Amino acid sequence: NAGVTQTPKFQVLKTGQSMTLQCAQDMNHEYMSWYRQDPGMGLRLIHYSVGAGITDQGEVPNGYNVSRSTTEDFPLRLLSAAPSQTSVYFCASSLQGAEAFFGQGTRLTVV
Amino acid sequence: GIQVEQSPPDLILQEGANSTLRCNFSDSVNNLQWFHQNPWGQLINLFYIPSGTKQNGRLSATTVATERYSLLYISSSQTTDSGVYFCAVLNSGGYQKVTFGTGTKLQVIP
Repeated sequence: NAGVTQTPKFQVLKTGQSMTLQCAQDMNHEYMSWYRQDPGMGLRLIHYSVGAGITDQGEVPNGYNVSRSTTEDFPLRLLSAAPSQTSVYFCASSLQGAEAFFGQGTRLTVV
Repeated sequence: GIQVEQSPPDLILQEGANSTLRCNFSDSVNNLQWFHQNPWGQLINLFYIPSGTKQNGRLSATTVATERYSLLYISSSQTTDSGVYFCAVLNSGGYQKVTFGTGTKLQVIP
C-alpha cells in the first residue's frame, strides 16, 4: 500500500515554463487536494476535488490548473511558472470527513 | 473562514522534558489532526482526534470540541521530536477543506 505518491520530489523551472506535478493515491479516497507551503507558514489550499470529474478552487488557485479524470490521480499544472510559485507542494487524500494523508512533497524552485 | 491558532510559536526543550502544545480554532469542526513535520519536510500523521483523548507512546492529544481547542502533550522529549507540529482542522461545511495552523517549531537539545 503506497498511500499518496508525489512526483517529482524536486524540480527547478525557468520563469514562463509549464509543468505538471503528479499525485496518485491507492486508497480509493474520493477527496484529493493540493497545498503549498511557504517558509514559516502552514499549508494553504490551492485546489481540491471531491471525486472524479469534480474540482474546485481553494485559497490560492491563481496560476494553477487541476483535473480529476480518475479516482486515483490528481495532477497539478503550472501554466507559466513564476518566481512567486517557488514553494513546497503537498498532495493529500481522504475519505469524506476522515483522516487526511499527505504525500512527501515536491520542492519547486522557479528561477 | 475558520481561524486556527497555535501556541507557542517556538519552543526549546532540554531532552527529557515535557511540553504541551495548544491549538485553538474559531468555529465548529468535523475533525482535527495533529502532524509532525520532520526536518526533512515530511508530514507525519500523529493523531486524528475530533474529540476525546488518544495516546501513542510518549505522545497524547486531547480535543475539547465544545470549547474549540486541542492539546498535544509530549513527554520525555527526544531530539528526534524536533521539527514543526501542525494542527489542522476540517470545517463543518459541505466540502473537505483542511485548514492548517501556523505551527509550533520545537527544538529538543541534548
